[in-house]
Amino acid sequence: DTAVSQTPKYLVTQMGNDKSIKCEQNLGHDTMYWYKQDSKKFLKIMFSYNNKELIINETVPNRFSPKSPDKAHLNLHINSLELGDSAVYFCASSSFGHGGKNIQYFGAGTRLSVL
Amino acid sequence: GESVGLHLPTLSVQEGDNSIINCAYSNSASDYFIWYKQESGKGPQFIIDIRSNMDKRQGQRVTVLLNKTVKHLSLQIAATQPGDSAVYFCAEEDYNQGGKLIFGQGTELSVKP
Repeated sequence: DTAVSQTPKYLVTQMGNDKSIKCEQNLGHDTMYWYKQDSKKFLKIMFSYNNKELIINETVPNRFSPKSPDKAHLNLHINSLELGDSAVYFCASSSFGHGGKNIQYFGAGTRLSVL
Repeated sequence: GESVGLHLPTLSVQEGDNSIINCAYSNSASDYFIWYKQESGKGPQFIIDIRSNMDKRQGQRVTVLLNKTVKHLSLQIAATQPGDSAVYFCAEEDYNQGGKLIFGQGTELSVKP
């Protein structure tokens, strides 16, 4: 069983389109994250949700909107896609806030290419 | 600004040798540090962690050293194997920032057979 799974793995789309990436974790964690990894492999946090509540919101264009229907899911919707949005997006989850370590477990990534 | 940087972007070692990957961090309030390994086409995978109240922690073939005085972190891999070839990231956490992990730029480790 995959602990953190995200779909799709690849996403190729035209500028201006709207797209969503889905993420699910079966680890029983309360906290989930979205990261963006650029072409130089730099990994930067975008959002974090704890039990469906937004707790980290980095300086991200408001074209990006995370949605957490329940604590096992955190989806990322992107409106009006731009060329600069091309990157690999990673979902992660952890048991942060429960007195344990914040070891974040990552999905395999979604490679988004905006043409 | 916040940053976690690495001294060497690439590292090439001979199979069987020991590898040392270094990392500098800037936030003295960070109290938890993690090393991740990312293989091509995959997500980062947890290797080892260390809290700020420790200066050394050992795992299987890996050791993390923390020097808070100079804000430096290193990952030592013993008897490096071809399967260790990957990009390695250090990450620091500031608990007071909602558990935000700040990742370094990554070091690409290449193991020559």
